[in-house]
Amino acid sequence: GNSVTQMEGPVTLSEEAFLTINCTYTATGYPSLFWYVQYPGEGLQLLLKATKADDKGSNKGFEATYRKETTSFHLEKGSVQVSDSAVYFCALSDHRWGIQGAQKLVFGQGTRLTINP
Amino acid sequence: DTEVTQTPKHLVMGMTNKKSLKCEQHMGHRAMYWYKQKAKKPPELMFVYSYEKLSINESVPSRFSPECPNSSLLNLHLHALQPEDSALYLCASTKLGSTDTQYFGPGTRLTVL
Repeated sequence: GNSVTQMEGPVTLSEEAFLTINCTYTATGYPSLFWYVQYPGEGLQLLLKATKADDKGSNKGFEATYRKETTSFHLEKGSVQVSDSAVYFCALSDHRWGIQGAQKLVFGQGTRLTINP
Repeated sequence: DTEVTQTPKHLVMGMTNKKSLKCEQHMGHRAMYWYKQKAKKPPELMFVYSYEKLSINESVPSRFSPECPNSSLLNLHLHALQPEDSALYLCASTKLGSTDTQYFGPGTRLTVL
């Protein structure tokens, strides 16, 4: 079945450091890929997405490129801030699932990121 | 408006109580979802409604009973819960089509005593 593997956390960085959170996936066909962020005490927010190979999603300084050849969707940011401290989830959308057009997300385990001033 | 709202924000209930969680969206989305999230884990899908009809029940115990009264509203009725059901319950919605963004509400933090 489809699955997502994220680098294990927690990850602790200093402010202005470079961030990479690795994400690889296993899927049949061509899933869409997402990064969601969850701040403490809140629900999940979409950070960025890519719907086909070689697409780059970007938002708030974060970027990720859909690499079909390596089945990866690594999250990067050039200079992190304390406000980026959160849990980050990589996810894929299972296109086979299409029950009347609804969407099934397969999540990775999440990576807790802490940024120190 | 890209907001999904959930009430209440927090809920404490005993094992014999009956309570309900409410979710609302006004984005015209025709697919709505309930998830359960335990601490330090990703969300687990519970139910999916598509065009106000239950499309998927991910083998959820019958003490959880979903309801979709109209295209904007989704309820989760709770009865005879167990302490292990304590979790964050998240609601989400999408337009129909699997590449679209799933919009999540802030969740209801449920504690079962």
